[in-house]
Amino acid sequence: AQTVTQSQPEMSVQEAETVTLSCTYDTSENNYYLFWYKQPPSRQMILVIRQEAYKQQNATENRFSVNFQKAAKSFSLKISDSQLGDTAMYFCACVRGGSEKLVFGKGTKLTVNP
Amino acid sequence: DAGVIQSPRHEVTEMGQEVTLRCKPISGHNSLFWYRQTMMRGLELLIYFNNNVPIDDSGMPEDRFSAKMPNASFSTLKIQPSEPRDSAVYFCASSLKQEASGRDTQYFGPGTRLTVL
Repeated sequence: AQTVTQSQPEMSVQEAETVTLSCTYDTSENNYYLFWYKQPPSRQMILVIRQEAYKQQNATENRFSVNFQKAAKSFSLKISDSQLGDTAMYFCACVRGGSEKLVFGKGTKLTVNP
Repeated sequence: DAGVIQSPRHEVTEMGQEVTLRCKPISGHNSLFWYRQTMMRGLELLIYFNNNVPIDDSGMPEDRFSAKMPNASFSTLKIQPSEPRDSAVYFCASSLKQEASGRDTQYFGPGTRLTVL
């Protein structure tokens, strides 16, 4: 069975600074996908970034990038130039190849301070 | 384009009553998912459909929960009878399952906050 662990229940960062959220996962599969979702106070689940396990290059979306360490089963999210609107819960998730079942971590609550 | 649409956004009901949550997936998507989010258990997958057919309902907590997808543009999650422990946020998500990769990104609706008194 897959598991996803986010070891930081809460984090805070000053506006314009950089923050990294940690995520580790456990899967016996070789083919899988990883995701970061953002859940602001509005409750909406918003996709931030995705990474295919077979790709060595780390995914990047504007200010968001990942550090994907396949051997270590680590998938951290880096937010550069943090903005107040980045304040949210961030969930790491994994889905194995051939399945559509997303497994989520417990989330990290990020607060961006002015 | 419209995203995933859920109704109602909020539902308050009394224990023992029937509750029906509704979802309209993104047009063209062929997979639909129902999740429940609570503080204690986080996000849990309840059931998912592909091409309107239930594929995995192992997350449905008990017989009081049922889900249907009568067509590609509509799904319901029903709780009968409801209990206070069913209070949670229920999300619907949809995706386009591609034959080559077997999956794609799931896009979530805004959720329904259910309170059972």
